[in-house]
Amino acid sequence: DAGITQSPRHKVTETGTPVTLRCHQTENHRYMYWYRQDPGHGLRLIHYSYGVKDTDKGEVSDGYSVSRSKTEDFLLTLESATSSQTSVYFCAIRRGTGLPDIQYFGAGTRLSVL
Amino acid sequence: DAKTTQPPSMDCAEGRAANLPCNHSTISGNEYVYWYRQIHSQGPQYIIHGLKNNETNEMASLIITEDRKSSTLILPHATLRDTAVYYCIVRVNFGNEKLTFGTGTRLTIIP
Repeated sequence: DAGITQSPRHKVTETGTPVTLRCHQTENHRYMYWYRQDPGHGLRLIHYSYGVKDTDKGEVSDGYSVSRSKTEDFLLTLESATSSQTSVYFCAIRRGTGLPDIQYFGAGTRLSVL
Repeated sequence: DAKTTQPPSMDCAEGRAANLPCNHSTISGNEYVYWYRQIHSQGPQYIIHGLKNNETNEMASLIITEDRKSSTLILPHATLRDTAVYYCIVRVNFGNEKLTFGTGTRLTIIP
């Protein structure tokens, strides 16, 4: 257990509505990540953060924004949800900044956009 | 990151050792081998990693060939709870934040 809590665990929303997913960690790690997982695509990195207010894009960042105003929370926002954003979203943290570079994952949020 | 090749599925009898192969023939000198697994509907779970030497922890052993072009993850006494998809990942440790999960090996432990 890497002290990661994702909320909500399940959400159903309608196309065009804003959605915010929260990732909370209790161990004060600098690096945090958001991935999505879809059948046939594996896990794909959306955004990541390397410190408070320091974020960068991953490979599938279009339609998503993130914020990190404090170390423990990393928020993922879908400004206007679309059906293509129906997915399982995983948050991850990296323990430490040196070697080894290992990511630990939360339990996931299952999002359905109708 | 180097490309990896894993068999799509394997079965193993409960209590026996499960040996999961991974081919990474294009691995470069600064790339590590990581293994993760994902039990149905759960988040991926880190298992073990290595660079050149064989490694062992409380979950598994990792055997890396001398030329580093392939590796084997060994679960010494498989239980039903080890049924999962196992991913072999090869990547440099820094300058690349993305973990690239391929299709993995679906390991089924048979009672």
